[in-house]
Amino acid sequence: KAGVTQTPRYLIKTRGQQVTLSCSPISGHRSVSWYQQTPGQGLQFLFEYFSETQRNKGNFPGRFSGRQFSNSRSEMNVSTLELGDSALYLCASSPGGVREQFFGPGTRLTVL
Amino acid sequence: AQKITQTQPGMFVQEKEAVTLDCTYDTSDQSYGLFWYKQPSSGEMIFLIYQGSYDEQNATEGRYSLNFQKARKSANLVISASQLGDSAMYFCAMREGGARQLTFGSGTQLTVLP
Repeated sequence: KAGVTQTPRYLIKTRGQQVTLSCSPISGHRSVSWYQQTPGQGLQFLFEYFSETQRNKGNFPGRFSGRQFSNSRSEMNVSTLELGDSALYLCASSPGGVREQFFGPGTRLTVL
Repeated sequence: AQKITQTQPGMFVQEKEAVTLDCTYDTSDQSYGLFWYKQPSSGEMIFLIYQGSYDEQNATEGRYSLNFQKARKSANLVISASQLGDSAMYFCAMREGGARQLTFGSGTQLTVLP
């Protein structure tokens, strides 16, 4: 079974721009979660989607948004980028229960 | 208060020896899950082991075992027979109650010495 894939793997943007990151979960998994990882704040939960509905949201400003499509693929969007948005963005998929989440390789975003 | 505490920012272990990575957690929920993930320098988070709060036996997965002490609220990871490829950042995480998201600790950087 193919793992979680994330595109692009690396991204460089400038302040004020917007960015869209993509995540394809493991086949059959309906839950997709997004996390932000920075050296200062560690790993923080952004949001979780299940069957195209956002079920949970972390403590992030409204500039961070996401969606999930009918094939369970998910995108997250960050508008009006700030320097502090530079991070590794990790996507995780699970069948929908409360067991383990399987992570993708991440997208490393650099904001200049 | 921190939900997940990993007090060892860095650890060194000799190849083929065992090593214990510490993790304590804080929750008032009766039902929760504890996880350990490995993150190599490439960035991908690799699932290692899971322990449910109602599981009576300590979880084991190959060379990984979880020393679960519920009364102490600790969930230490034990890696037996360390290998050079075990050098990575290790994260302890918790899922509380019916929550879908994981809360992570700050991680422990493990270095295996030849």
